[in-house]
Amino acid sequence: QQQVKQSPQSLIVQKGGISIINCAYENTAFDYFPWYQQFPGKGPALLIAIRPDVSEKKEGRFTISFNKSAKQFSLHIMDSQPGDSATYFCAASASGGYQKVTFGTGTKLQVIP
Amino acid sequence: GAVVSQHPSRVICKSGTSVKIECRSLDFQATTMFWYRQFPKQSLMLMATSNEGSKATYEQGVEKDKFLINHASLTLSTLTVTSAHPEDSSFYICSAKAGINREKLFFGSGTQLSVL
Repeated sequence: QQQVKQSPQSLIVQKGGISIINCAYENTAFDYFPWYQQFPGKGPALLIAIRPDVSEKKEGRFTISFNKSAKQFSLHIMDSQPGDSATYFCAASASGGYQKVTFGTGTKLQVIP
Repeated sequence: GAVVSQHPSRVICKSGTSVKIECRSLDFQATTMFWYRQFPKQSLMLMATSNEGSKATYEQGVEKDKFLINHASLTLSTLTVTSAHPEDSSFYICSAKAGINREKLFFGSGTQLSVL
């Protein structure tokens, strides 16, 4: 019940295209859903996050879509650029202080020129 | 966002030696920090939760005597890999929660440990 399932495992997108990564969760206690971007040899960096009271959140080229009834959320990267090539992790946690964060399995994105 | 500094970024050691990794919160106080381990092309595995002034909470399957955690101040947590062996070679990452609701998790830059 603590799992967060992420797909696809890898993704190749042409420059200027839209990258879409999907995640699904089971634990209904989760109420905070962040996405992290990780470059090789570096720690993950918080990219964007959403709470279940909204269905969509947009920050620049990055958009999270959230479907509470389906317990699914996705990351859309518009106008994908080669610099976006990285591994992306979705995550989920419950509120209340220092709750553990459960991570998805990661998606390696490659944006080709 | 909040800054978490981790040192060293890379360490190579001989089998049987101990290695200490430091994690500092630079612009905020972190009463709780988290230590993760990541194998190549895999997700982050939570090893333990480090609590300032008290014992760390280890995840199931993580040897507390092998991975010693000390959280002596509100801005510093250390992970010591004792008697390291080649199978301990991995990417270790610390993190801390910050923000109004303590929900945002900020990561250090990671430490690549290679045990020969």
